[in-house]
Amino acid sequence: EIVLTQSPGTLSLSPGERATLSCRASQSITSRYLAWFQQKPGQAPRLLIYGASSRATGIPDRFSGSGSGTDFTLTISRLEPEDFAVYYCQQYGSSPPWTFGQGTKVENK
Amino acid sequence: EVQLVESGGDLVQPGGSLRLSCAASGFTFSTTSMNWVRQAPGKGLEWVSFITSSTNTIYYADSVKGRFTISRDNAKNSLYLQMNSLRDEDTAVYYCARGGIYDSGGLPLDWGQGTLVTVSS
Repeated sequence: EIVLTQSPGTLSLSPGERATLSCRASQSITSRYLAWFQQKPGQAPRLLIYGASSRATGIPDRFSGSGSGTDFTLTISRLEPEDFAVYYCQQYGSSPPWTFGQGTKVENK
Repeated sequence: EVQLVESGGDLVQPGGSLRLSCAASGFTFSTTSMNWVRQAPGKGLEWVSFITSSTNTIYYADSVKGRFTISRDNAKNSLYLQMNSLRDEDTAVYYCARGGIYDSGGLPLDWGQGTLVTVSS
C-alpha cells in the first residue's frame, strides 16, 4: 500500500498570499497518477488536479500541481477567501488500494 | 450536469447490516466505473470499493473485504453497497463517486453529497 504524507498539517495564511502544500509518497507513483481535492466544511470533496498537474474542469488557474515520483506539490498562487479549506492528495495508480493523504488545512490567518 | 445522490444511511447496531444506494444521472452510467469513499467524523478520506462498468473487476479496501459488497444496476443507473457485520469503526459519511476512464477508474471525478452511517449500540 502506498502511504501519502501531507505537510504541513495546517497552513495559516492571509488572502492574497501564496500557499504551497506538499504530498510525499512512500513509493514512486506510476505515471503521475496523483490528484488533489478540496473539501469545505459540510461539503463533499471536489477534484482540483489530476495527473499531478492537469486542472479539472472549471478550476481556476491560480491552482497548479507539480511533481513526479514520490514528491508532489499543490500551489495556490494567490489565496482567495473561498480557498480556505482542507486539501487532500490521492494516488490512483494501477493497483488498489487507492490511498489519500491525511489532509492539509489552509486557514485564514 | 453530473448528479450522484446517496441514500440508505442510518443508525445501526454493531454486527448489523445496511444497504446504501447511489442514484446517478447526467452521464452514461452504464459505461462508467464507480467508487465508494468514506470519511469518519472529523477524519480524512478512505477509499472503500470500486466496480467497473461491466462488473468484471471489483476491488475492496482490506478494512471492508469480506463484509461489504459493491454492485450496480445499469438499467436503473444505480450503485449499491451492501454492508454486513458492521463495526463501530465503519461509522462514516459514505460518498458515491464517478470514476475516471481507462486505467484511472480509481480517480473520483465527481462526488455525491454523502450518506451518514452510524454504528453504535
